[in-house]
Amino acid sequence: QKEVEQNSGPLSVPEGAIASLNCTYSDRGSQSFFWYRQYSGKSPELIMFIYSNGDKEDGRFTAQLNKASQYVSLLIRDSQPSDSATYLCAVSTGGGNKLTFGTGTQLKVEL
Amino acid sequence: AAGVIQSPRHLIKEKRETATLKCYPIPRHDTVYWYQQGPGQDPQFLISFYEKMQSDKGSIPDRFSAQQFSDYHSELNMSSLELGDSALYFCASSLGLNQPQHFGDGTRLSIL
Repeated sequence: QKEVEQNSGPLSVPEGAIASLNCTYSDRGSQSFFWYRQYSGKSPELIMFIYSNGDKEDGRFTAQLNKASQYVSLLIRDSQPSDSATYLCAVSTGGGNKLTFGTGTQLKVEL
Repeated sequence: AAGVIQSPRHLIKEKRETATLKCYPIPRHDTVYWYQQGPGQDPQFLISFYEKMQSDKGSIPDRFSAQQFSDYHSELNMSSLELGDSALYFCASSLGLNQPQHFGDGTRLSIL
């Protein structure tokens, strides 16, 4: 079992809809959680980070964290074709240093 | 805003050669991380430095070494290159430990 699990997708949503991306992690000691967007052949781009249980909103993005369930999610409202990318969930482990990534969820926003 | 700078962007080497990748963190960032991403895979942590000292070590082969210099830039030295070393190598930096990491554009290393 991978330390960070994501559904690989592809997840297809129509333009303007809400995209919901999910991630589970195995290390209960994990403290910090990140969502990165990665276009093919490009570098990961930080979208959101969350440290405490609950919701955190930034523009069209909302990150949700439930440490009891070891679950973190990313909601993208009003999805745009430019949101089509792979979304990587990352968890900071081992003393808050290295990031352990999930395999990523490929999101496709269709016109 | 200034980002993480990596050089070179592309590098082609032959088996058994050596390579040096460079990373210049965002100004004032004191922590540098190196990741390797193979085709279709997620980034794998190699090694990190905080205030010029190694802070964590991941799945970095013994053939690889790295250091962080007094100006906080970092270099990843790779020797006895193998075909399997072909990958994207990303450097990331953060302001302290357990803080959001910002990635550079990466170095695409191809081993022939």
